[in-house]
Amino acid sequence: DIQMTQSPSSLSASVGDRVTITCQASQDISNYLNWYQQKPGKAPKLLIYDASNLETGVPSRFSGSGSGTDFTFTISSLQPEDIATYYCQQYDNPALTFGGGTKVEIK
Amino acid sequence: EVQLVESGGGLVQPGGSLKLSCAASGFTFSGSAMHWVRQASGKGLEWVGRIRSKANSYATAYAASVKGRFTISRDDSKNTAYLQMNSLKTEDTAVYYCTTSSGWLWGQGTLVTVSS
Repeated sequence: DIQMTQSPSSLSASVGDRVTITCQASQDISNYLNWYQQKPGKAPKLLIYDASNLETGVPSRFSGSGSGTDFTFTISSLQPEDIATYYCQQYDNPALTFGGGTKVEIK
Repeated sequence: EVQLVESGGGLVQPGGSLKLSCAASGFTFSGSAMHWVRQASGKGLEWVGRIRSKANSYATAYAASVKGRFTISRDDSKNTAYLQMNSLKTEDTAVYYCTTSSGWLWGQGTLVTVSS
């Protein structure tokens, strides 16, 4: 099974800061990677698909990059409403494997 | 409206069974693979399993932690996917979500509690 290693597990940043989260796959997954935002008590929300494509309606301050085994998720200017836990997920058939999550807080 | 709605969660004793449903609307359900994902309280997301479409022979796959105990099925005439859970363990306690294969649509989740 493909393992996804996400870091950091938590971070604290100020409003307006640039925030970066990384995700490493245990083997080549091409660009089969999604990034999700999850707020307490809610289902995950897709932000980025195919590693770098912004889902419709998602603010442009969110972005993703990478391919193969190393991926990066960036919030260019952290906003108060971005407080949430973020997950990477690979979708190499058949399983969906998630990273451990990154809890983002406001400093 | 485009949505997935899970139902069927509840409290069940260890060793018991429960069947969850995931009702889809607003998109072509019959052509979509469907996945089940769970999340224990305060924990991360764990893939449970998936069922592909008729064109892909309704092929199923499961996480090692549930293989042999859980079964995923679907009824395209009802736009509904199912998760049959048998021999439940306390560690199966979680919110269970259904989602589309690409992850663009998720249900609101249904809570399953396994406890005596």
